[in-house]
Amino acid sequence: AQKITQTQPGMFVQEKEAVTLDCTYDTSDQSYGLFWYKQPSSGEMIFLIYQGSYDEQNATEGRYSLNFQKARKSANLVISASQLGDSAMYFCAMKSGGFKTIFGAGTRLFVKA
Amino acid sequence: GAGVSQTPSNKVTEKGKYVELRCDPISGHTALYWYRQSLGQGPEFLIYFQGTGAADDSGLPNDRFFAVRPEGSVSTLKIQRTERGDSAVYLCASSLGGSSTDTQYFGPGTRLTVL
Repeated sequence: AQKITQTQPGMFVQEKEAVTLDCTYDTSDQSYGLFWYKQPSSGEMIFLIYQGSYDEQNATEGRYSLNFQKARKSANLVISASQLGDSAMYFCAMKSGGFKTIFGAGTRLFVKA
Repeated sequence: GAGVSQTPSNKVTEKGKYVELRCDPISGHTALYWYRQSLGQGPEFLIYFQGTGAADDSGLPNDRFFAVRPEGSVSTLKIQRTERGDSAVYLCASSLGGSSTDTQYFGPGTRLTVL
């Protein structure tokens, strides 16, 4: 069965520090996509970064990078130089095989000044 | 360009009533998704459209839920005989295509409250 697991319900990070949000996944498909979204208190889901299962390089988008370890089925999000505006819920998601996309339960990030 | 839009932003209804939620995807996006997000949880897949047809409706919880996309653009999620447990934020997303590499872009959601 396909599954996304985010084991950190909440995380604290000091402003300007880096933080890693964990995500592990389970799928028997060879071709799949992994996504991270940010959801601020306003409720909108904001796309951050994408990693394809066949991509050999880790994805990077500005201050976001995805630490993709295929053998361990993990796709951790790394946010460098945290800012107060990074405080939000973060969701890991996977799309594989069919059309359904599944999301993890999310991690709430708190950035401290 | 314009993003995904959803109307209404908030909907309050009484138990047993019928509601329609509308989604207007990004122009040119052939794939459209509906999700339901309950408080403190991640989005839960409901249905996926490729063009006008529902390619995967396996996430619809029961036959009270139905969605259409008659012209391959705007979609309407319809809920009959609403129940208090239907209260949630209903999110719509669209993507260029339906493959696993296509990024989904979300609308702001419709918050449904069933009294």
